[in-house]
Amino acid sequence: SAVISQKPSRDICQRGTSLTIQCQVDSQVTMMFWYRQQPGQSLTLIATANQGSEATYESGFVIDKFPISRPNLTFSTLTVSNMSPEDSSIYLCSVGVTSSYNEQFFGPGTRLTVL
Amino acid sequence: AQSVAQPEDQVNVAEGNPLTVKCTYSVSGNPYLFWYVQYPNRGLQFLLKYITGDNLVKGSYGFEAEFNKSQTSFHLKKPSALVSDSALYFCAVRDSRGDMRFGAGTRLTVKP
Repeated sequence: SAVISQKPSRDICQRGTSLTIQCQVDSQVTMMFWYRQQPGQSLTLIATANQGSEATYESGFVIDKFPISRPNLTFSTLTVSNMSPEDSSIYLCSVGVTSSYNEQFFGPGTRLTVL
Repeated sequence: AQSVAQPEDQVNVAEGNPLTVKCTYSVSGNPYLFWYVQYPNRGLQFLLKYITGDNLVKGSYGFEAEFNKSQTSFHLKKPSALVSDSALYFCAVRDSRGDMRFGAGTRLTVKP
């Protein structure tokens, strides 16, 4: 299994500002994903982070709001831009291999509160 | 579209009793099913998966799940619950694109 770290683990931000979340994996992985978990709810896939190309966003999520970088096979960032209180959530980085047979592994999450 | 449903928001059991957390699925083609657990202030931890083969799948921490094709279910079970099993449990399915889709989650509380 992969060991995944996220920074920061939590943050409290002001409305209108932006926050960049980092995800670091201890080994090279094919797939990296970003999920959002709103309070008391399930996980929603934001996007798939593609190495060397633009991320693939799910319906309801756009690059201007959630720009993603993936410069190599072990690192990705998610930026939450122009934040509002509705963006208060846990943001989770996840990794996997290109196969439906395989499970995904999750980072510890970043708990974001927007005032 | 592939999806999973967890019909119970909350499950309460007494320590030492068997527990079941329910999950039903809807897929086209072969189902690839997963269970994850989330402890407070932690990320998700993988418990077990069903890809093919035996309908009874064994996983971490003494958990197992039974795949039932006729009932399109993949219920999570444990013969004897521990207080430390109290957590949020998610069932998940791979969709046709390979993306993992999660159920709404079931909060398990095991009382001493």
